[in-house]
This record gives sequence, structure tokens and C-alpha cells, in this order.
Amino acid sequence: AQTVTQSQPEMSVQEAETVTLSCTYDTSESDYYLFWYKQPPSRQMILVIRQEAYKQQNATENRFSVNFQKAAKSFSLKISDSQLGDAAMYFCAYRSFRISSGSARQLTFGSGTQLTVLP
Amino acid sequence: ETGVTQSPTHLIKTRGQQVTLRCSSQSGHNTVSWYQQALGQGPQFIFQYYREEENGRGNFPPRFSGLQFPNYSSELNVNALELDDSALYLCASSFSGRNTGELFFGEGSRLTVL
Repeated sequence: AQTVTQSQPEMSVQEAETVTLSCTYDTSESDYYLFWYKQPPSRQMILVIRQEAYKQQNATENRFSVNFQKAAKSFSLKISDSQLGDAAMYFCAYRSFRISSGSARQLTFGSGTQLTVLP
Repeated sequence: ETGVTQSPTHLIKTRGQQVTLRCSSQSGHNTVSWYQQALGQGPQFIFQYYREEENGRGNFPPRFSGLQFPNYSSELNVNALELDDSALYLCASSFSGRNTGELFFGEGSRLTVL
């Protein structure tokens, strides 16, 4: 079974600064997806960024980028130029890479990191 | 494009009762999964429905059951409620024919069991 670990329950960052959230995972699979989801107080999980394990290039989405280290099973999220709206709970998640139609698309989540952005 | 919607947003039940939570999937999505998120924790996978059948289940007892309807909407039913069932229940939808891995979540139903 896969496990996802987020060792930072809380982090804070000054507005406009950069912050990195850590995530490690354990799996015996070679193909999989990794995600960072954001959950603001509205409770809706919002996808921040996705990484396919077969891609060596780190994913980037505007101010959000990841450092994917497959051998180390590490997947950190870097938020640049932090904004007040970035304040939320951030979850790292894992999913197997299954291509058969209708197969279970179970996400395994970490316990989350609560990010506070200070004005 | 309509997103994932869930109802009710909040509800309170007493131990031993039964509850039904509802979810309308995002337009064009044919797969629905349910997650339980206890306070301060990450979501835990309950089960997934595709073509009106359960095709994946997490470590949850049989008193957690579900349905998927021809329009791809879904229900989560929990019988014999226990105090530990108090949680946020999240519904997520996706399209099985597109293996991008992404799930689209609703805002959840907050269940409190007294």
C-alpha cells in the first residue's frame, strides 16, 4: 500500500516571499501521479499542480512549482511571490497510473500542511 | 460547465441513525468517488462508482454504501452511525476515458454525529 507523509503540520510565509512545502511517499510502483491540492476554508479541494512520475521535468504552474525526486520519493511544492489568497491547507496526494477505463482512481492523501500568509 | 455539487452542506445526526449524502458530478464526468475527511486529517478513500457499480473500495465497513444513477449522480449512505463518523464527506468526479489522474471535488457535506 502506498503512503504519503507531510511532516510540516503548519508553515507560515511573509507575503511576496517564497515557501516550500515538503512531501514524501512510499510506493513499489514505477508509474504514478503526484498532486498538490489546496483546501481553503470553503472546503473545496482545488488542484494546484500535477506531476507524472515518468516525466523527469518538474511541473510548473505560474507561481507554483515542484521539486520531484523520484529516487528519494520526495515531492515538494514551492510557492513563489506568496499572496494572501494562498493561505489554505495543502495536501500532497498519490495515485497509481492505471489506464484501463473505469479502474478505481483512488487518491492517497497526506495529513496536510496549514499555510499561513502574513501581510 | 457545472462543477461538482453536494447536499446537504451540514447536518447533525445521533448515534445509530442513518444518513444519505448526495452528489452531482461535473458535466461530462462518469466516475464518482467518495472520501471521508476527519478534522485535521487528509481525506480517506471510501469507494468509487463507475457505470452504476462499485469498482473500488477503501478500508470502510459495509455500513458505508453507495449508489450511482444513470445521470452519474451519486449517493453515500451510512447506517448505524457512530461518533467517529463525524467528518467532512467529499465527493469527487472524473471522466474514465481521460487518464490525466485529476479528480474534481465538491465542497463537501459536514456530518456531525452526537
